[in-house]
Amino acid sequence: QKEVEQNSGPLSVPEGAIASLNCTYSDRVSQSFFWYRQYSGKSPELIMSIYSNGDKEDGRFTAQLNKASQYVSLLIRDSQPSDSATYLCAVTNNAGNMLTFGGGTRLMVKP
Amino acid sequence: DTEVTQTPKHLVMGMTNKKSLKCEQHMGHRAMYWYKQKAKKPPELMFVYSYEKLSINESVPSRFSPECPNSSLLNLHLHALQPEDSALYLCASSQDGGLAGDYFYEQYFGPGTRLTVT
Repeated sequence: QKEVEQNSGPLSVPEGAIASLNCTYSDRVSQSFFWYRQYSGKSPELIMSIYSNGDKEDGRFTAQLNKASQYVSLLIRDSQPSDSATYLCAVTNNAGNMLTFGGGTRLMVKP
Repeated sequence: DTEVTQTPKHLVMGMTNKKSLKCEQHMGHRAMYWYKQKAKKPPELMFVYSYEKLSINESVPSRFSPECPNSSLLNLHLHALQPEDSALYLCASSQDGGLAGDYFYEQYFGPGTRLTVT
């Protein structure tokens, strides 16, 4: 069983819509959760971190964490074609000293 | 400023060559990381340095040799690589390699070095 799972996509949404990206993890003791955006041929860029249950908003991005259900999600409001990228979910391991990445979800925002 | 720089951007090397990848950060971060990323796959952790000491080696073959000359610099020495080692090599840094209380510090990636082994 993979430790961090994401739907590989592609997830296709029209411009202006809300994109919803989901991630589940297997280790109940994970405490820190991150979303990275990676454009094709580029390096991952940190866009959100979340540590507590609930929602965390930053501009058009909202991260949601539910530790009881072991999932973390990322909502992108008013999606733009420039949001088209692969979104990587990263979760701390049980020792709390490294990140485990999910396989990534490819998002396509169509004009 | 969350800038991590890496040189070179691209590297082509033969299987008998010796080369080095370099990474630098000036954010005062005390933890630095090497990752390897193959196409359409997530980054895979290779090494972690915390306070200039190697703290994690994810069973990486000895043809990859990391070095941390000081808290701002991280090198990856390459020798006798195989074609399957061709990948994007990413450096990252974080404020600390441990935990801030219960929370893991954010990691920031450099632009990467695209390595091709012929």
